[in-house]
Amino acid sequence: GQNIDQPTEMTATEGAIVQINCTYQTSGFNGLFWYQQHAGEAPTFLSYNVLDGLEEKGRFSSFLSRSKGYSYLLLKELQMKDSASYLCTLNQAGTALIFGKGTTLSVSS
Amino acid sequence: GAVVSQHPSRVICKSGTSVKIECRSLDFQATTMFWYRQFPKQSLMLMATSNEGSKATYEQGVEKDKFLINHASLTLSTLTVTSAHPEDSSFYICSIGGGGYGYTFGSGTRLTVV
Repeated sequence: GQNIDQPTEMTATEGAIVQINCTYQTSGFNGLFWYQQHAGEAPTFLSYNVLDGLEEKGRFSSFLSRSKGYSYLLLKELQMKDSASYLCTLNQAGTALIFGKGTTLSVSS
Repeated sequence: GAVVSQHPSRVICKSGTSVKIECRSLDFQATTMFWYRQFPKQSLMLMATSNEGSKATYEQGVEKDKFLINHASLTLSTLTVTSAHPEDSSFYICSIGGGGYGYTFGSGTRLTVV
């Protein structure tokens, strides 16, 4: 089976940088997604890491280390609209996604 | 990318009645669709994998006789919550994808059973 751990809640201020960590235990996976989800809405794709290393996409970056079972999502220049849940998610080929419980990020002014 | 339409977005039903949720793939032929459920402040949990033309595969602990899934065409999967009870109140969401390409989600259905 899979086990995905990430902090339940985080807080930060506008303009700051925040890093959301995720550790996982799994027998194997294709890649790791990060999704953003606002309450009552569908998840929105942020990033997908297949290989070890850093993937940068505008204000968002994601890192993966398969050997350490570790990933993080880095959000820069935080904005109020970034207040949401962030879901660390594993992808196994041809099957459904396995979601972590999510980290609720609150951004204040 | 693919577009997935899910209806209704919100539904309130009386305890004991049934509710049908539709998930349509508008521009992609989806042989497989996934159904998830999310309780407040919980993660999205896979309920079942819907397979076109065959029986759905249910996750452990999900009652197949209560959550009926029909995937009769490559563009439509339906989830029927039968004899709904208040504990079935949740956010239900479908998705297509996998196999090396991205996943697309429906907009979700907020079910409230009173």
